Amino acid sequence: GDSVTQMEGPVTLSEEAFLTINCTYTATGYPSLFWYVQYPGEGLQLLLKATKADDKGSNKGFEATYRKETTSFHLEKGSVQVSDSAVYFCALSERGGSTLGRLYFGRGTQLTVWP
Amino acid sequence: DTEVTQTPKHLVMGMTNKKSLKCEQHMGHRAMYWYKQKAKKPPELMFVYSYEKLSINESVPSRFSPECPNSSLLNLHLHALQPEDSALYLCASSQSRWGADTEAFFGQGTRLTVV
Repeated sequence: GDSVTQMEGPVTLSEEAFLTINCTYTATGYPSLFWYVQYPGEGLQLLLKATKADDKGSNKGFEATYRKETTSFHLEKGSVQVSDSAVYFCALSERGGSTLGRLYFGRGTQLTVWP
Repeated sequence: DTEVTQTPKHLVMGMTNKKSLKCEQHMGHRAMYWYKQKAKKPPELMFVYSYEKLSINESVPSRFSPECPNSSLLNLHLHALQPEDSALYLCASSQSRWGADTEAFFGQGTRLTVV
């Protein structure tokens, strides 16, 4: 079945540090890959997405590349800010098929950025 | 409009109460979802509606009863809940067509406390 493995947290960084959060996946079909972000007390916001191999998703300085050969979708940002402190979820969904777009989530990674 | 609206934002209910959570979207999405999220955990899928029909029920107890009155609305009826049902309940929607982008949009959630 489909699953997502996400690096353990929490991650604590100083402002302007480089961020990497690792994510690997297992899928039976042709998944789309996502990073969602959740700020305290809020719902999930889509941060970026990639729908096919070698696609790079990017938003707000965050980037992730869909690597089919390594089944990975690692999240990176060159210079984090205090406002990036949140929980980050890697997720996948299958395009079409019986799973109807349901999301399979990784465990989530808590990021805290100190000034 | 890429918004999913959930009401209420907070709900406290007794174990003998009956209450309903509401979700609305106007993006023309034909798949709608209920997820349950406990603290420091990823969201867990509860139900999927596709074209207003219940398509996936992840073995959710019958004290949770979903309803999809039309293509824009999704309800979750609650009855005789237990304290362990306290959680953040998230509604989401996405397109539901073969080959379509399966990006899901989430509401802000309802924070439910069962006393």
